[in-house]
Amino acid sequence: EAQVTQNPRYLITVTGKKLTVTCSQNMNHEYMSWYRQDPGLGLRQIYYSMNVEVTDKGDVPEGYKVSRKEKRNFPLILESPSPNQTSLYFCASSFQRGGPRETQYFGPGTRLLVL
Amino acid sequence: ELKVEQNPLFLSMQEGKNYTIYCNYSTTSDRLYWYRQDPGKSLESLFVLLSNGAVKQEGRLMASLDTKARLSTLHITAAVHDLSATYFCAVDLNNDMRFGAGTRLTVKP
Repeated sequence: EAQVTQNPRYLITVTGKKLTVTCSQNMNHEYMSWYRQDPGLGLRQIYYSMNVEVTDKGDVPEGYKVSRKEKRNFPLILESPSPNQTSLYFCASSFQRGGPRETQYFGPGTRLLVL
Repeated sequence: ELKVEQNPLFLSMQEGKNYTIYCNYSTTSDRLYWYRQDPGKSLESLFVLLSNGAVKQEGRLMASLDTKARLSTLHITAAVHDLSATYFCAVDLNNDMRFGAGTRLTVKP
């Protein structure tokens, strides 16, 4: 089944404790992206990747890191989480950008609470 | 800075009625997307509009894009309860993706 998976789905952690949220897609998509969704602030792009080893900042990259060593995986790293990173996180992927096959497929979301 | 405005933010409709959601954006772009989100769920891609004048239809939903007016519309025809959800538009400017605040649609019998 074609899908985008995220792990964990729910996470409670404490300030400063490094964590990684994994994202994996099995559709051979080139483009992957991370978003956060917050009440009142809506959806905002954190980082995106056009292909392996190619990543770039989105609208709100501060406090996050990403890597794209393999085409299928795009982990989101919080080196020192803070309470303002409490949010619902979505990973998404698409076959390409800037063309007719750029429909984005979203993962199920990761709900993060930083105490 | 690219800004994306949707209206209305809340919409309550009777089944069988038609209505339009509007998405205005501030900077020239020819890449606009519509998504649907059900409560507690992830986002589902509805439409990808890539050129001026693009029109796409799927069931009771039709989306259009006017890049000169910087406006996209999502038209709902003969609404049914299953269309109740939050609808987002998003605009891509050089891979900087900005979302509208979303329109929460409720379709009542």
